[in-house]
Amino acid sequence: NAGVTQTPKFQVLKTGQSMTLQCAQDMNHEYMSWYRQDPGMGLRLIHYSVGAGITDQGEVPNGYNVSRSTTEDFPLRLLSAAPSQTSVYFCASSYSRVGVEKLFFGSGTQLSVL
Amino acid sequence: GQNIDQPTEMTATEGAIVQINCTYQTSGFNGLFWYQQHAGEAPTFLSYNVLDGLEEKGRFSSFLSRSKGYSYLLLKELQMKDSASYLCAVRDLGEYGNKLVFGAGTILRVKS
Repeated sequence: NAGVTQTPKFQVLKTGQSMTLQCAQDMNHEYMSWYRQDPGMGLRLIHYSVGAGITDQGEVPNGYNVSRSTTEDFPLRLLSAAPSQTSVYFCASSYSRVGVEKLFFGSGTQLSVL
Repeated sequence: GQNIDQPTEMTATEGAIVQINCTYQTSGFNGLFWYQQHAGEAPTFLSYNVLDGLEEKGRFSSFLSRSKGYSYLLLKELQMKDSASYLCAVRDLGEYGNKLVFGAGTILRVKS
């Protein structure tokens, strides 16, 4: 039972570098999403997808890109890392595309941008 | 847009009852969730309310009043392992479907 798998668990970047956070789920969930979590601000939605080929922006999309070419994978790309993107990132999925039901979260990625 | 408010921190004693409140303002309300998050871990689902009233699940109960934009999570017979952050999340209608928007969370400390 893998569930939602996120890689890497930890990452340190220099300002201006790009990278991709990987997220994969094996539950055949239609709905997938990316959140960032910062102290005192809770979880903020970056991007979400209700199925392959469909993505939409959340509250804080600037500086991030996503794509959904398959049901299983939903990678998050940082185009040019900035210190403000230092955060813990969570990928989450849900079985319903029409009405998101309970989310299943990955274990998180702790990202530091120097 | 959405606005979700929860107390920042609460402290309670082992064996006691604690109520964590959540108020929200949202344009397309379509359900409310509570999640538990232990330090350094991912959030896990606790409860879901879409209609007014109380949902009970063991030691945990959740209440919703849609007309008041108000929910609470009730934890009974507190245990030390209940020390965690409790996140209120509102399901809101977006252009392509529903999305889940979280409050900042309430840190609960259970003392012996």
